[in-house]
Amino acid sequence: GAGVSQSPSNKVTEKGKDVELRCDPISGHTALYWYRQSLGQGLEFLIYFQGNSAPDKSGLPSDRFSAERTGGSVSTLTIQRTQQEDSAVYLCASSSYEVGYNEQFFGPGTRLTVL
Amino acid sequence: RKEVEQDPGPFNVPEGATVAFNCTYSNSASQSFFWYRQDCRKEPKLLMSVYSSGNEDGRFTAQLNRASQYISLLIRDSKLSDSATYLCVVNMFRGSTLGRLYFGRGTQLTVWP
Repeated sequence: GAGVSQSPSNKVTEKGKDVELRCDPISGHTALYWYRQSLGQGLEFLIYFQGNSAPDKSGLPSDRFSAERTGGSVSTLTIQRTQQEDSAVYLCASSSYEVGYNEQFFGPGTRLTVL
Repeated sequence: RKEVEQDPGPFNVPEGATVAFNCTYSNSASQSFFWYRQDCRKEPKLLMSVYSSGNEDGRFTAQLNRASQYISLLIRDSKLSDSATYLCVVNMFRGSTLGRLYFGRGTQLTVWP
């Protein structure tokens, strides 16, 4: 079946611009996660959605970052007034109660470059 | 102090070698433990969960020492295809990846012919 998809795969933007990154989780997966990975660094948790519960936003680095998940499926991560330190690969993952949440399935990521 | 610490390597080993990676975690309340594998410029994928009694999957053996807050991964008879970055992952929830995961920076392995 289809895995997690993300778009765009690459995004180059100018400092100060807003960007939107999209994630389509595996159909039926109720849990959705956003992480980012900077060059040579580990994955950094950003935000987590589970069903209709309030999202866990504890990993968002600043108020320039926000995310929403519409209809329990697609999610959009928005970065306002981008800065050069926002350059990273943004990874989305989903998981499912049906597999006991034992695995998070990652998408291929969006590589963001802020000039 | 980071939640999960790993030796970044790189580890360069010949085919057929045995190699071990270590990982420590700082939060004693951590409940679930995993090793993920990440190929160059690819997304991470679950390699194996780590159980309290230790577990084996083919050439891979994972161990957990809760008292020392230490996790290990042993790869026997290394293959060229094992070349990747190995991520140590910790979760606060028992038996699942529900909720936020804490990732180590990863240990890079290169297996040469």
